[in-house]
Amino acid sequence: NAGVMQNPRHLVRRRGQEARLRCSPMKGHSHVYWYRQLPEEGLKFMVYLQKENIIDESGMPKERFSAEFPKEGPSILRIQQVVRGDSAAYFCASSPPEGATYEQYFGPGTRLTVT
Amino acid sequence: AQRVTQPEKLLSVFKGAPVELKCNYSYSGSPELFWYVQYSRQRLQLLLRHISRESIKGFTADLNKGETSFHLKKPFAQEEDSAMYYCALSAQGGSEKLVFGKGTKLTVNP
Repeated sequence: NAGVMQNPRHLVRRRGQEARLRCSPMKGHSHVYWYRQLPEEGLKFMVYLQKENIIDESGMPKERFSAEFPKEGPSILRIQQVVRGDSAAYFCASSPPEGATYEQYFGPGTRLTVT
Repeated sequence: AQRVTQPEKLLSVFKGAPVELKCNYSYSGSPELFWYVQYSRQRLQLLLRHISRESIKGFTADLNKGETSFHLKKPFAQEEDSAMYYCALSAQGGSEKLVFGKGTKLTVNP
C-alpha cells in the first residue's frame, strides 16, 4: 500500500490563476480530509469528504475554494483566483470507513506558492 | 469552540534526559486526543491516542480531564526522537476533523 498520495508536491501559481491539488487516498479508504498549514501554524481543518459527498466544509473559505471526491479518481481541492495569502502547505488525509480505526493517514502535502 | 494549545514552540533536551511536551485543550464535550509526529522529511504520522492507553516508542500520554491536558512524556529521550510533535483533538470518535496545536519542535542533543 503506497499510502496517501498527493500531487503535485510543489505548485507555483501567479496571482489570479487557478490551483488544483490532488489527493489519492489509501486503498480501501473512503474518507478524505484536507488541512492547510500556514507558516509557523498548526494544521487547520478545511473539509471532510466521502465519495461524492461533502460531509463537513466548516473550515473552507466561503469564496474561491472548492473540493470534490468523485466516485472514480482522486479528491481535488481547487482554489480559484489565487492570492498571496493562499501560499501554504496543503495536506490530505484519509481514513477507513466507520467501524474500523479512525486513524487519519496523511499524505506528504502540496506546497503552494503564489507569486 | 475546540482549541489545542502547545505552549512550547521549541524544546531541547540531552540524550537520556526525561522529556515532557505539553498540550492543553479546550472542549466542552468528551474529546479524543492524539499525538502526531513528523520526523525530518517524512509525513505526519500518528504516535499515540489516549483511548488506546498504550506506550509507543517509549512515549506515554495521559488524559487529565480536570486539567484539560494531554502531555506527552518519555523518561529517557533518544536522538531519534528529534521531530515536530503535534497534539490534536477530535470531537467525535476520531472520524471527523482534527483540531491541531501549533506543534513543538523537539531536539534531543547527544
